[in-house]
Amino acid sequence: DAKTTQPPSMDCAEGRAANLPCNHSTISGNEYVYWYRQIHSQGPQYIIHGLKNNETNEMASLIITEDRKSSTLILPHATLRDTAVYYCITSGTYKYIFGTGTRLKVLA
Amino acid sequence: EAGVAQSPRYKIIEKRQSVAFWCNPISGHATLYWYQQILGQGPKLLIQFQNNGVVDDSQLPKDRFSAERLKGVDSTLKIQPAKLEDSAVYLCASSLVEGPFFGQGTRLTVV
Repeated sequence: DAKTTQPPSMDCAEGRAANLPCNHSTISGNEYVYWYRQIHSQGPQYIIHGLKNNETNEMASLIITEDRKSSTLILPHATLRDTAVYYCITSGTYKYIFGTGTRLKVLA
Repeated sequence: EAGVAQSPRYKIIEKRQSVAFWCNPISGHATLYWYQQILGQGPKLLIQFQNNGVVDDSQLPKDRFSAERLKGVDSTLKIQPAKLEDSAVYLCASSLVEGPFFGQGTRLTVV
């Protein structure tokens, strides 16, 4: 079973920041937090990952709480093309177990 | 850098027939994964290879599914015989160190 909990769906207005939460209260010390997204009819796409420090790349920012029990993926300026299912995964052994993710709908 | 290649993209077969999917991972990636994704669900890991050895196949229905990775590069996933509930997208992914990169998948419909 997936070791993360995410809300099933969220809406976000175009141009606004989308903040997607993830709970991973049983994460162990060597496990990273990964985020993927899946646009309809495509394979999952890697977004970002982190261990304990906040991370930022050209796609998104990842904020991990100090106790590492939860994290938030931030899409700073959501566009219609960001409409997708977003998956939060924890992994320390090269094994990646997906849950059901959050279906993000960006509204015009 | 070329991505993970999968073929075919679509396949329709009748129940009890056999089918095979092919995957060519990103060059140099030692780890290869096969996932099954049923409509409306997240991808489910079927089997994980490290080079040409199996790391985890605990979720692979071994009575009908088989997979191999010859020479630690390409991989094939076979279903024989197929059942209606095998209708799904079969995703191949590969990784070197960080998170896996996925192919476009093969959409299988069993009728």
